[in-house]
Amino acid sequence: DAGVIQSPRHEVTEMGQEVTLRCKPISGHNSLFWYRQTMMRGLELLIYFNNNVPIDDSGMPEDRFSAKMPNASFSTLKIQPSEPRDSAVYFCASSFDRGRDEQYFGPGTRLTVT
Amino acid sequence: AQSVTQPDIHITVSEGASLELRCNYSYGATPYLFWYVQSPGQGLQLLLKYFSGDTLVQGIKGFEAEFKRSQSSFNLRKPSVHWSDAAEYFCAVGRNYGGSQGNLIFGKGTKLSVKP
Repeated sequence: DAGVIQSPRHEVTEMGQEVTLRCKPISGHNSLFWYRQTMMRGLELLIYFNNNVPIDDSGMPEDRFSAKMPNASFSTLKIQPSEPRDSAVYFCASSFDRGRDEQYFGPGTRLTVT
Repeated sequence: AQSVTQPDIHITVSEGASLELRCNYSYGATPYLFWYVQSPGQGLQLLLKYFSGDTLVQGIKGFEAEFKRSQSSFNLRKPSVHWSDAAEYFCAVGRNYGGSQGNLIFGKGTKLSVKP
């Protein structure tokens, strides 16, 4: 298996622009997580899907952030409009929805908003 | 609320020396505990996990961790560090959603440097 796939790996955009991050989870996994990593705040969970349904979005910073999972093999995280404080590394992770399985992380998308 | 504390932000050890990275957690029930490693520019890779049973768990790359309920700790150890172990290490506690694994709460991480 190719693991969790994220695209793009790097994104540089100007403040106010829309940014879309993409994630393909490992085939057969039915839980998907979006995290944000910054020096100041460390790793933060943004949103968690189970069977394509958002379960916990309490970590989504504000309405500028939205996430979708239209099917079991694809998810997007959108920021509109983007701000410089959104600059971070965004990770997607997936797992089986069973009690003893770890989360598998993608390589991350490094977002820079100027 | 669940929380994870890694008290050491940065540790430097000599190659061949032993290593212990500390992790303390706060959780109201039996925790699921994990250690992940992150190399520069990479995602997180699981080193080991604890769900139940034997409190000493073995992981990849020669790492082990011991769950001590009385101390709310899950410290990571390695008897002899290699230069390739230089990375950032994250402890995490799993939160249950109806009996299934939910999201993870991560510590702030400990950066490990290895001296030749």
